Amino acid sequence: KNEVEQSPQNLTAQEGEFITINCSYSVGISALHWLQQHPGGGIVSLFMLSSGKKKHGRLIATINIQEKHSSLHITASHPRDSAVYICAVRSGNQFYFGTGTSLTVIP
Amino acid sequence: EAGVAQSPRYKIIEKRQSVAFWCNPISGHATLYWYQQILGQGPKLLIQFQNNGVVDDSQLPKDRFSAERLKGVDSTLKIQPAKLEDSAVYLCASSSGPPTYEQYFGPGTRLTVT
Repeated sequence: KNEVEQSPQNLTAQEGEFITINCSYSVGISALHWLQQHPGGGIVSLFMLSSGKKKHGRLIATINIQEKHSSLHITASHPRDSAVYICAVRSGNQFYFGTGTSLTVIP
Repeated sequence: EAGVAQSPRYKIIEKRQSVAFWCNPISGHATLYWYQQILGQGPKLLIQFQNNGVVDDSQLPKDRFSAERLKGVDSTLKIQPAKLEDSAVYLCASSSGPPTYEQYFGPGTRLTVT
């Protein structure tokens, strides 16, 4: 069983839709990261969370430590948001990664 | 600030051949990670260095993979001999360390073994 589970695995949305990607984890963590990976590209860190909620532009990330769950929301989605979104947690100095959610936003 | 550099970006080799990847982390980052990302999966940690010492190499297939970071800066990852299942993207990342341990990823090397 993976330490980090993401859902859904694949997601297709129409431009403008509100999108939610979920992440559940089973280990004790120091921090949770949301990462974005474009096809053929490297990985970019979007958020690092240890509690509560963070917002950056159209992206919002929340975490519930008690429930060991985090969500990444994208408001007013755009085709340029199409990418793989990866949830990663840090436990001590170890990182555990989810398998990613592949998002396609159709114009 | 310059990011994490990796080379080559792409490599195609035949099985049983050898290959080496190079990574130059962000200046001042003591921690360096090598990950293997197979298509459709999340990154899997192969090895973690703290300066020139190995912190974690529990998932490194040591019969064929080796890595070094001799001067605590650049690092190389080698596969010898390569197998078909080694086809993946090899990502290097470096970390700013405590308290955030923020990781910065390189562009990756896409390896195809035929």
